[in-house]
Formats: sequence, structure tokens, C-alpha cells
Amino acid sequence: ELKVEQNPLFLSMQEGKNYTIYCNYSTTSDRLYWYRQDPGKSLESLFVLLSNGAVKQEGRLMASLDTKARLSTLHITAAVHDLSATYFCAVDLPGANSKLTFGKGITLSVRP
Amino acid sequence: DAGITQSPRYKITETGRQVTLMCHQTWSHSYMFWYRQDLGHGLRLIYYSAAADITDKGEVPDGYVVSRSKTENFPLTLESATRSQTSVYFCASSPYASTSSSYEQYFGPGTRLTVT
Repeated sequence: ELKVEQNPLFLSMQEGKNYTIYCNYSTTSDRLYWYRQDPGKSLESLFVLLSNGAVKQEGRLMASLDTKARLSTLHITAAVHDLSATYFCAVDLPGANSKLTFGKGITLSVRP
Repeated sequence: DAGITQSPRYKITETGRQVTLMCHQTWSHSYMFWYRQDLGHGLRLIYYSAAADITDKGEVPDGYVVSRSKTENFPLTLESATRSQTSVYFCASSPYASTSSSYEQYFGPGTRLTVT
């Protein structure tokens, strides 16, 4: 059974500082997805990582994938209030019929 | 409207009533999914569909029924609503993988269901 773990589950960040959050998964997969969810809203796709060593960047966020370690990191540069949200990672398995297994999400809160 | 829509956005119903949540997508995506989101549980897959007339159970299917007679619609029915089904329900869709190497899912706006 594929398990996807995110940690920490809650992170209070100070504006202007850098942080890294993690997503571990239990079974070999080459594809990992990051989503963002604002309070009361739906999930919005952030990054799609499709191979070992993949790196994607959007603004202050950079995501990377290490399939050998079964680990994805989401690095936040100079946190700003607008980044306050819950971030989910999800993994799919070959042959899983397009199903994604989601982590429980990490809630980030940026304080002045 | 283009994209993926859900209706109603908010629903209050009583225990024992039948409720249907609607999901409609305009992309002709092959795959469609229903999730529920609860505090402490994250997103849990209820049912999914690989194409019209092909559906399968997810992690928490009990008490729910789905159908998919047309590619664009994927309704979710609670046959006899219970308080434990109070949740936020998200529908999502994904294109068939042969047209893309990604199984990225696109989410609808959600339906907040309260069962009293």
C-alpha cells in the first residue's frame, strides 16, 4: 500500500526567511504532484514532477524530486504572507489507473 | 463555463435523505474522481471512473453510489445520508495518460455538505 507522508503538518514561518518542507512516499514512483489549498477553497496544481532529479520553480517556491530516496522537497525562499496555505503532495503509481495518493497536507502560516 | 464545476456548492440535508452531488467537466477528460476532505484525514478517494460506464471503488465507498453515463458528468449519490457524511466533497478530472505523461488532476470548487 502506497503511503505518502508530509512533515511537519503545521509550520509557522517568519516573513523573509527560507524554509523547506518534505514529502516522503513508501513505494517506487517517478511522478509526484504538489497542490496548494487556500482556506475554504479548492486544490490548485502547483508542480508536476515527472522524473528523478526534476526541479520546478514558480516565484518563491521550488520543488524537487529524488525518486531513489522517495522524497520531494518544497523550498520556500523569503516567505511572504501570500504563501500561507495548505500544501499537499500526491504520488501516482504505474497501473494505478490515474489514482493519486495524497499526503495529509502541510499548513503554512507566515507571520510578520 | 469551461473547466470543472460542482453543484450545489452548499447543501444541508437531514439524516436518511438521499442527496446527489453533481460534477461536470468540459475538457472531455477520461478520468473522474470523487474525494471527501475532513479535518485530520486529508483527502480520501470515494469513487473514480476511467471512462463512461466504468467506475470503481476508492478508499471510502460505503454509503455512496456513482454513475457515469456521459464522459462529462459524474454524479455522486448518498443513498441515505448520515451525520458522518458531513464533509467537503471535491470532484476532480484527469486526462488519459497517453496524451500526457502526467496524471495531474484538476479539481472542482467543492460542495460543502452538512447532514443534520
